Amino acid sequence: SAVISQKPSRDICQRGTSLTIQCQVDSQVTMMFWYRQQPGQSLTLIATANQGSEATYESGFVIDKFPISRPNLTFSTLTVSNMSPEDSSIYLCSVGTAEAFFGQGTRLTVV
Amino acid sequence: QKEVEQNSGPLSVPEGAIASLNCTYSDRGSQSFFWYRQYSGKSPELIMFIYSNGDKEDGRFTAQLNKASQYVSLLIRDSQPSDSATYLCAVMTSGTYKYIFGTGTRLKVLA
Repeated sequence: SAVISQKPSRDICQRGTSLTIQCQVDSQVTMMFWYRQQPGQSLTLIATANQGSEATYESGFVIDKFPISRPNLTFSTLTVSNMSPEDSSIYLCSVGTAEAFFGQGTRLTVV
Repeated sequence: QKEVEQNSGPLSVPEGAIASLNCTYSDRGSQSFFWYRQYSGKSPELIMFIYSNGDKEDGRFTAQLNKASQYVSLLIRDSQPSDSATYLCAVMTSGTYKYIFGTGTRLKVLA
């Protein structure tokens, strides 16, 4: 299994601002995944981040709102842009194509 | 729309009993099935995965898969209060590395 470090672990942000979440893996991985878990809900895949190419977004998620970078095989960032209270969620990065392993998550509150 | 369905619970069982958690999925072509445990405020952790019809045992946990009925379950024997958590069923969609998660079943083991 991979060790995944995600930061920040939590943040409280003003509406209209942006937050960048970082995800660092202890080994090289081809694919990294970003999920959102809204309060009381399950995990929803936002996008798949491949090194060297643009991220692939799931239905309902767009690059302008959730830009993703993947500069190398161990690191990725997710930015939540122009935040509103509806963006208050836990954001999780994940790796693994056979079994998924998750970072500790970022608990975001937008006020 | 591919879906994974779980009863949200809570499922309450006494300490030492067997907890039975169930999950159904809609994509008949799904190949891989996973159970994750998520403690409150924490990220999901993998408990079991199963690919073939039948039972798979790992310690106190048994995963059961019936592809004809599109049904997967998790049995926890000798339940302990530390097993109290939300259990997420996840299905890897056919031909992709993407997971679809159920909404989770909250398990409460009563001491």
